[in-house]
Amino acid sequence: NAGVTQTPKFQVLKTGQSMTLQCAQDMNHEYMSWYRQDPGMGLRLIHYSVGAGITDQGEVPNGYNVSRSTTEDFPLRLLSAAPSQTSVYFCASSASYNSPLHFGNGTRLTVT
Amino acid sequence: KQEVTQIPAALSVPEGENLVLNCSFTDSAIYNLQWFRQDPGKGLTSLLLIQSSQREQTSGRLNASLDKSSGRSTLYIAASQPGDSATYLCAANSGNTPLVFGKGTRLSVIA
Repeated sequence: NAGVTQTPKFQVLKTGQSMTLQCAQDMNHEYMSWYRQDPGMGLRLIHYSVGAGITDQGEVPNGYNVSRSTTEDFPLRLLSAAPSQTSVYFCASSASYNSPLHFGNGTRLTVT
Repeated sequence: KQEVTQIPAALSVPEGENLVLNCSFTDSAIYNLQWFRQDPGKGLTSLLLIQSSQREQTSGRLNASLDKSSGRSTLYIAASQPGDSATYLCAANSGNTPLVFGKGTRLSVIA
């Protein structure tokens, strides 16, 4: 049982480049979300999804896009990377809002 | 909008001590509150989930309580061990909304 799998683990981008952070879960969870974690700021919600075909914005959505074409996958796209997007990104999933949240191991992104 | 605060930001205790970590939230219409553990360079691991209708949850040496009227939750760790050293985060939601996280308490248990 792999749980929540994030790839890549590390990534370095130049300003203006685009990329996709991958997230997959094998627990058949309906709810998936993306957070970023920055020193002194804690975990902040970027986007979330309550099921295939449904996405919504969190606290800090600007500069990021998501889609949910399957229950298993929830990729996060950076459209034009900026140094302010340097962060650790976590994907999480749960069966519902009232169930434990399971996290991936994170992607450490540096934008130069 | 739910806001979650954790004080202190860091705590250091000797091995064997019982300790309490604090979490406060602003919206008493809480749906559930969860406690997580994060080791350096790792993701978060769910420790305990307390439903709004519950007062506490226990798992091994961990006990979490919930007091909606005062907007507080505590995580009690009994007989602390060096392996308990980590950052502990609490998170809460109101209704069918995503979890809002506190900034965490970094715990060091000294042997």
